[in-house]
Amino acid sequence: GENVEQHPSTLSVQEGDSAVIKCTYSDSASNYFPWYKQELGKRPQLIIDIRSNVGEKKDQRIAVTLNKTAKHFSLHITETQPEDSAVYFCAAGFISGNTPLVFGKGTRLSVIA
Amino acid sequence: NAGVMQNPRHLVRRRGQEARLRCSPMKGHSHVYWYRQLPEEGLKFMVYLQKENIIDESGMPKERFSAEFPKEGPSILRIQQVVRGDSAAYFCASSLGQGVTEAFFGQGTRLTVV
Repeated sequence: GENVEQHPSTLSVQEGDSAVIKCTYSDSASNYFPWYKQELGKRPQLIIDIRSNVGEKKDQRIAVTLNKTAKHFSLHITETQPEDSAVYFCAAGFISGNTPLVFGKGTRLSVIA
Repeated sequence: NAGVMQNPRHLVRRRGQEARLRCSPMKGHSHVYWYRQLPEEGLKFMVYLQKENIIDESGMPKERFSAEFPKEGPSILRIQQVVRGDSAAYFCASSLGQGVTEAFFGQGTRLTVV
């Protein structure tokens, strides 16, 4: 089955700097890669996703890149703000079909003011 | 359109008791997933259900755990004879299915076994 590895497990950046979180997946058939943000004590919330027919997607300060050949994808947050502090999870799955998402173990991002 | 609703938010059970966790998916969503989250860990898949069907239960322990998603009413995750190791946050997510994969999570149920 699918296996998703996520690095780093913790990340501290200064406010205004960029943060990059990387994930690798094992199943080359996976074609859907969402990212979730989970604030302390709250639910995971979808912040951005990418499908395997594109290599990059951007939404304001957040961007995701996908390298299908290498089977890795990354989340980039620019101009970080204290409210970006949270745990971020990557996941891999399928656009269609009866297969649940497989999540990475998460990255705890701390943005230091 | 209400989001995914889970209840209770917090549940305390003594060892050996039963825990029932409920999840009402978003309106129109027929796919429900249950995940378990241990402190400082990721989301571990447990079971995937559609109305009246278990599609994938590969992540659910074979004993003491069961799940259902009846034609009417919420999805239920049931844990019998709870042990301390069952203490965790249990999250339910739902999706529309039919090629729309975005999954939306509920607030979770934090189970504490004492």
